[in-house]
Amino acid sequence: SSELTQPPSVSVSPGQTARITCSGDSLPKKYAYWYQQKSGQVPVVVIYEDSKRPSGIPERFSGSSSGTMVTLAISGAQVEDEADYYCYSTDSGGDHVVFGGGTKLTVL
Amino acid sequence: VQLVESGGGVVRPGGSLRLSCAASGFTFHEYGMNWVRQAPGKGLEWVSSTNWNGDNTGYGDAVKGRFTISRDNAKNSLYLQMNSLRVEDTALYYCVIFGMVGGEIDPWGQGTLVTVSS
Repeated sequence: SSELTQPPSVSVSPGQTARITCSGDSLPKKYAYWYQQKSGQVPVVVIYEDSKRPSGIPERFSGSSSGTMVTLAISGAQVEDEADYYCYSTDSGGDHVVFGGGTKLTVL
Repeated sequence: VQLVESGGGVVRPGGSLRLSCAASGFTFHEYGMNWVRQAPGKGLEWVSSTNWNGDNTGYGDAVKGRFTISRDNAKNSLYLQMNSLRVEDTALYYCVIFGMVGGEIDPWGQGTLVTVSS
């Protein structure tokens, strides 16, 4: 089955741009989605279909795709953006959902 | 959209448990449904999915052959029968819809905790 690979951690200072990558062989053919999960809370979608932002998600969150990699960028990261971020997609067959291992974002 | 899981608890290795997810606020039979789990301090793991009528199901490699997903559209409910449970199945189990439902993207329940321990 397909795998999605994320860096375990990313650290930035407040106001900097945080970039979290997610790579996988199925990504050129399948949409990627990004979840934000704060401690003790249910995951929330911050980017869907590679680059779309749901209503209510701040404009500083953006997504992009290039080949086998998708990237979540947080421009002007804030302390409140500290969370675990997960990418997910489907495998090439479209039957199985695949999650990345998650990236812990630290903003300090 | 509301998804409410139940049925979690403590079970010994090799035991069985049946989880339920009660859905409301949307037309249940129009949507595929999923179970996703998260072990304590670990990442998200897709467990299983079913299409709108239960005819097409899928399972993660870790649970294939041991877990069975099903649904009852008349009762607006999703189920997960878990057999031959292992310590590594200990996790918070979530009922999830991947996609747009009533203007909300990927609604999740609050989860039900399954603990497998001797």
